Amino acid sequence: EIVLTQSPGTLSLSPGERATLSCRASQTVSSSYLAWYQQKPGQAPRLLIYGASSRATGIPDRFSGSGSGTDFTLTISRLEPGDFAVYYCQQYGSSPPLTFGGGTKVEIK
Amino acid sequence: QVQLVQSGAEVKKPGASVKVSCKASGYSFTSHYIHWVRQAPGQGLEWMGVISPSGDRTSYAQRFQGRVTMTWDTSASTVYMELSSLRSEDTAMYYCARDSGRGRATLTFDSWGQGTLVTVSS
Repeated sequence: EIVLTQSPGTLSLSPGERATLSCRASQTVSSSYLAWYQQKPGQAPRLLIYGASSRATGIPDRFSGSGSGTDFTLTISRLEPGDFAVYYCQQYGSSPPLTFGGGTKVEIK
Repeated sequence: QVQLVQSGAEVKKPGASVKVSCKASGYSFTSHYIHWVRQAPGQGLEWMGVISPSGDRTSYAQRFQGRVTMTWDTSASTVYMELSSLRSEDTAMYYCARDSGRGRATLTFDSWGQGTLVTVSS
């Protein structure tokens, strides 16, 4: 089973700032089968990025994903008020099981 | 628009079973796999398993093997997830989620139900 470790646990930033979130895998994620989700309090997660760098439908271009192998990054270029949430990475290159990281909370500084 | 509407909150005693439903609408439900993902209070996401659109194929996470059953009622466009031998650690929000792929499983989730809170307590 591939274990995903996200860092930092919490990121305190101001609106307009750039957010850089990391997801590290315990083994190579084949074919960059890595996705990112956003979850706001009391809501279900929302798909942001799949295939490490492809934006899902309707996702603004301030969200970008990069990386390969075992190291992946989600970047939010300019934080807007609605972007403060918890972000999870998910690998789907080695399954079952599909696995998620523990999450990074992006909070308002 | 795509909607997955889940059944309401449940309170169960240890050792009991729970069956959660997920009704699909707004798309051709015969084209997409459905996954179940759970989230314990204040914790991260955990994948439980997946069922094919026809209902004839399932794949479960090993830790739930023998305790979980996923089924489809195609006449009602509804998927069910039953979890047996409940223990307190099964207290969580349970989500159904549609696979992004049409006709094949891509193993990412593009639409989610609103969640069903299952509480296991004596």
